[in-house]
Amino acid sequence: KNQVEQSPQSLIILEGKNCTLQCNYTVSPFSNLRWYKQDTGRGPVSLTIMTFSENTKSNGRYTATLDADTKQSSLHITASQLSDSASYICVVMSSGTYKYIFGTGTRLKVLA
Amino acid sequence: NAGVTQTPKFRVLKTGQSMTLLCAQDMNHEYMYWYRQDPGMGLRLIHYSVGEGTTAKGEVPDGYNVSRLKKQNFLLGLESAAPSQTSVYFCASSYSIRMTGKAFFGQGTRLTVV
Repeated sequence: KNQVEQSPQSLIILEGKNCTLQCNYTVSPFSNLRWYKQDTGRGPVSLTIMTFSENTKSNGRYTATLDADTKQSSLHITASQLSDSASYICVVMSSGTYKYIFGTGTRLKVLA
Repeated sequence: NAGVTQTPKFRVLKTGQSMTLLCAQDMNHEYMYWYRQDPGMGLRLIHYSVGEGTTAKGEVPDGYNVSRLKKQNFLLGLESAAPSQTSVYFCASSYSIRMTGKAFFGQGTRLTVV
């Protein structure tokens, strides 16, 4: 069964600190993996998109990594800001169905 | 450039009532999707459309119908609302199904069925 699991479920960090969110997937065949940021009460917004051949992709203070062999991805946030408080959702697309499989997200709270 | 706009943003229905959620996109995207988001679960695909006049079932289509009469609009209908349909509904659109490009999401519709 195609699944996307994220850890931790929730995380609290102090402003200025770094953090890393994890995503493990069992989706096959793999097409691409995305990280989305979802602010409370808003729709998800795309942060990064990675295909099979990409290991790292950055978007400002956000850096995503992908290990297609172990089917793991991580999202690293550098020098966190209060505005980083949100849910971060890992999404994997299966090339067989062209449908998205969503993780349940990691809820990040950044404290001053 | 509004992107993806959903209406209404909030709605309370009584069991058995019907309603239609409207999604409009101004990016000339071919593909449009309706998802529901429930606590502790990832977004789940209800229905999707690969172009004007087409619709297809997602993973949780029961109790919902959709229509794509115009390329820019994707309507989600609930014919007889049930409490189990209490959820936050998101519409999304994208340029291609392969989606190495971005999907754009609306701001969501919070629906409560009592």
